[in-house]
Amino acid sequence: GDSVTQTEGPVTVSESESLIINCTYSATSIAYPNLFWYVRYPGEGLQLLLKVITAGQKGSSRGFEATYNKETTSFHLQKASVQESDSAVYYCALGGYSNNRIFFGDGTQLVVKP
Amino acid sequence: DAGVTQTPRHEVAEKGQTIILKCEPVSGHNDLFWYRQTKIQGLELLSYFRSKSLMEDGGAFKDRFKAEMLNSSFSTLKIQPTEPKDSAVYLCASSLRWGGYEQYFGPGTRLTVL
Repeated sequence: GDSVTQTEGPVTVSESESLIINCTYSATSIAYPNLFWYVRYPGEGLQLLLKVITAGQKGSSRGFEATYNKETTSFHLQKASVQESDSAVYYCALGGYSNNRIFFGDGTQLVVKP
Repeated sequence: DAGVTQTPRHEVAEKGQTIILKCEPVSGHNDLFWYRQTKIQGLELLSYFRSKSLMEDGGAFKDRFKAEMLNSSFSTLKIQPTEPKDSAVYLCASSLRWGGYEQYFGPGTRLTVL
């Protein structure tokens, strides 16, 4: 079936350290998967961080990057130097159906220590 | 434009009560989603409407959960009767039919069932 698996949280890193949150997907019923990272900051609603709809392409936003790798069915989220304000819950998600359905991963809580 | 609006923001119910959660999507959006968010299960889809027609009804939630689109700009989620295991954050999201799959989320309703 279709699913998304991501790094189990919480993930704790110190400010200015690098970050990677792993995401792999299975898209057996989608011809052309679209991949997303959503983020929920404390006290705010879930919002789109970045998306990539073409295999091999990279998306970026707010210093975060993710590359859509069709061969390894992965869409890992990376940042070279995290800030305390990046503390949030990050969700990897899979779409691309004939409708707007999206499958979400379980979320990864990121805690950035000052 | 106003984003997705959800009311109430917090709800406390006794076991066995009926509660109704409300959602107003972004004006002009065709698709509306209801999710349940828990730390253990992540985001689970409860219902998905397109232009007021039910597209998906989360199988595990059919028993006591009923979502309705009363018109294109208002939806409700009824839980009847409530159980303590229903305690979670309930999220409403909307998207444009041809909007590249991006979903816009409301702030959520935190439900506590005693």
